[in-house]
Amino acid sequence: DTAVSQTPKYLVTQMGNDKSIKCEQNLGHDTMYWYKQDSKKFLKIMFSYNNKELIINETVPNRFSPKSPDKAHLNLHINSLELGDSAVYFCASSDSGMNTGELFFGEGSRLTVL
Amino acid sequence: GNSVTQMEGPVTLSEEAFLTINCTYTATGYPSLFWYVQYPGEGLQLLLKATKADDKGSNKGFEATYRKETTSFHLEKGSVQVSDSAVYFCALSDLNGANNLFFGTGTRLTVIP
Repeated sequence: DTAVSQTPKYLVTQMGNDKSIKCEQNLGHDTMYWYKQDSKKFLKIMFSYNNKELIINETVPNRFSPKSPDKAHLNLHINSLELGDSAVYFCASSDSGMNTGELFFGEGSRLTVL
Repeated sequence: GNSVTQMEGPVTLSEEAFLTINCTYTATGYPSLFWYVQYPGEGLQLLLKATKADDKGSNKGFEATYRKETTSFHLEKGSVQVSDSAVYFCALSDLNGANNLFFGTGTRLTVIP
């Protein structure tokens, strides 16, 4: 059983399109995250949700809109895609009650904008 | 603020060589420190961690010691294998209720037979 699963794994699209990436975790965690990894492997947090509520929202264009229908899911919708959005997007989850700082990551979704 | 600085890569070693990847941090308070590893085509996974000063994290032959006096958490392994080829990320958690991880830039390790 995959603990944190993201779909799709690969996404190729044209500039200006709108796309979504889905994430689900079956670990019973209450906190989920989206991270962006650029071509140089630099990882930066974008959003964090705890029990469906937004708790971290870094400086990300408002073309990016996370949606958490329940605490096991955190989807990322991106409007009007730009070339610079090309990256690997990682979903992650954690248990805030454990307070260990350990995150569990999905395998990533590679987005290529042409 | 919180930040992590790790040595630039890439690092290329022969099998059985000794590995050190340097990591230093800046943090307010007393963070937990982590090393994550990303194998080709996969997501990050926790390699080891230390939650307080002088703690040593270890896993799969890798070790790192939380040094508060030098604000460091260097990763070491005595004898690397080809299967250790991956990107290694140092990270800290500010543990302010958000489990927010601050990552270093990653160091790519390639081990050649």
